[in-house]
Order: sequence, then structure tokens, then C-alpha cells
Amino acid sequence: GAVVSQHPSWVICKSGTSVKIECRSLDFQATTMFWYRQFPKQSLMLMATSNEGSKATYEQGVEKDKFLINHASLTLSTLTVTSAHPEDSSFYICSAPRTSGFRDTQYFGPGTRLTVL
Amino acid sequence: AQSVAQPEDQVNVAEGNPLTVKCTYSVSGNPYLFWYVQYPNRGLQFLLKYITGDNLVKGSYGFEAEFNKSQTSFHLKKPSALVSDSALYFCGGLLSGAGSYQLTFGKGTKLSVIP
Repeated sequence: GAVVSQHPSWVICKSGTSVKIECRSLDFQATTMFWYRQFPKQSLMLMATSNEGSKATYEQGVEKDKFLINHASLTLSTLTVTSAHPEDSSFYICSAPRTSGFRDTQYFGPGTRLTVL
Repeated sequence: AQSVAQPEDQVNVAEGNPLTVKCTYSVSGNPYLFWYVQYPNRGLQFLLKYITGDNLVKGSYGFEAEFNKSQTSFHLKKPSALVSDSALYFCGGLLSGAGSYQLTFGKGTKLSVIP
């Protein structure tokens, strides 16, 4: 079945460094991918929509210069947290829709846990 | 195994009628449950959550959900459906394990509100 992977699954970095998180659709193409952020014991919040070949669309309140998104191919979207600070520590999840028949099915990656020291 | 399930792929309802989108859960400990909506070509948008407290949770756009521990359900409801409510709805739950929590989703239910 369709699978979405994320890499790395866990990253620890120093404050001020940049971290890149990859989201891949493994056996289907995704012109659109979504990036979410989840705080501990909290719900998942949409950050941005990644569009292949064009600029990402960011949700209100999300800093586009802080969270750089690049959708370089039909199977890969990357989220770069620039100049990370401890408040950026969170669980980042991506998803990709796949159309089958009359509906889209949303496939979620396993998530990346970012810890900024 | 812990899980969140949505038993219906699609729900059709006439505009103005009440709607229900079903969700059942199987989690250890106290469940943390959520509902999200996805409009075409958009990401998931948060509707409401149950952490603790009142079993009836009110959320965005007039939606509410009822937590029922005995039936292990968390059905999404709205008294009067609008055509603009047509979308994909996802039930999610925070599942605990190994000292951490992982958010997991049901497969989604497509809601079609017929004018």
C-alpha cells in the first residue's frame, strides 16, 4: 500500500542551527503535501501546504522564513527549520493525498521529533 | 492493539438535516481524541478535541462531538448540515506507548451534504 516516510525520525540540535526534515511518498506521486506540527499531548496543527514546482502556502501565524519548504519533486518535500530555538522543539508530521476512485486518501508520515537544546 | 476507526467511508445527508460522522477508539488509559476536517486541496483543519471534562465537546463551525466511554465512541455531530460542510473528516487519537504519545488517525469519512 501507499506509504509516506519521514527522515530523520528524531533529531537533536543546538540552538541556532538549521534542521532539514524530509517527507517522501514511496510508491505514488504527490503534487501536494502537507506539513503539521504537534505539541506534546496536543492536537496537530497545519503549518503549510507544499506544492510541487511552486511556492508553499503557509497558514496564518507560521513564519515562512523560519520554516522553509521545498517540494522539489513529485515524491519529496522538505521542511527546513532555520535558526532553530528551543521553542521550535516539537513533533513534525507530513501527509500526502492520493486519489483513488471518488476520494482522496490521506497518508501520514510517522513524524519527526525535533529537540532543540 | 490501540487504534482509532471510522466505520463509514461516506456519509450522505440532506441539507438542513442533522449529521453524524462515526468514530470509535481503542486506547489504553485516558483517551485524547480529536476531529479534523479536510476541504479539497487543503490540509487538515482542527475542529475539536476531548481531553477530559464534559463528554459533549463543542468545536468550530457548529460541530460538536460526544465522548461515550461505555461505547468507546467519539461521534461528530451537527444539528443542521450545510452544503459547505461537504468535506473529508478525520478522527484522531493520541495513543500512548513507551513513554510517548503518537497521533493516529482513522481512514477518514467523506461527508456529502445534498442541497
